[in-house]
Amino acid sequence: AQSVAQPEDQVNVAEGNPLTVKCTYSVSGNPYLFWYVQYPNRGLQFLLKYITGDNLVKGSYGFEAEFNKSQTSFHLKKPSALVSDSALYFCAVRDMRVSGGYNKLIFGAGTRLAVHP
Amino acid sequence: ETGVTQSPTHLIKTRGQQVTLRCSSQSGHNTVSWYQQALGQGPQFIFQYYREEENGRGNFPPRFSGLQFPNYSSELNVNALELDDSALYLCASSQQGLGTEAFFGQGTRLTVV
Repeated sequence: AQSVAQPEDQVNVAEGNPLTVKCTYSVSGNPYLFWYVQYPNRGLQFLLKYITGDNLVKGSYGFEAEFNKSQTSFHLKKPSALVSDSALYFCAVRDMRVSGGYNKLIFGAGTRLAVHP
Repeated sequence: ETGVTQSPTHLIKTRGQQVTLRCSSQSGHNTVSWYQQALGQGPQFIFQYYREEENGRGNFPPRFSGLQFPNYSSELNVNALELDDSALYLCASSQQGLGTEAFFGQGTRLTVV
């Protein structure tokens, strides 16, 4: 079955410290992976994606993610956290069970990031 | 901000009623998808439209239906509302293609009482 797991409900980090939000996936074939962020009462904002190529992907707002095929992980990282990074983060994988450019995303349950001053 | 807009932003309906939610896609995008996000959960795929036809559906009953118009805007219709339909409904537009990212609107918060 294709799925995404975000093992931490919440991550707490002090401002200025590095942050990591974890994501593991299970798909058949090569994965297409995405990270989105959701602020209160807002929709999802695209941060970055991994399709192919370098395992370290850089995205918006200083975020990056590391793809690890052997560990089936796609962890989101940032070298120095800001209080304004506090939000809900979702990892997603493209559902590859249907062909033809089908754009269905399978989301994890989300991880709440709290950055403390 | 994305170019995807949804209306209304909030809605309260009574159980058994019908509701229509609307979405205007980002310019240049030919695919629209709808997701349901219940409180404390990740978004769940409802269905997708491409060239005005439904080309994929998640595990939602037939009382969830939709339309896509020639200008790529879209509607989500839900009949016979149930209390469990209370959720944030998100519209996402994209280009066709496995590697393309989806851009989401701000959502419509539906409360069924």
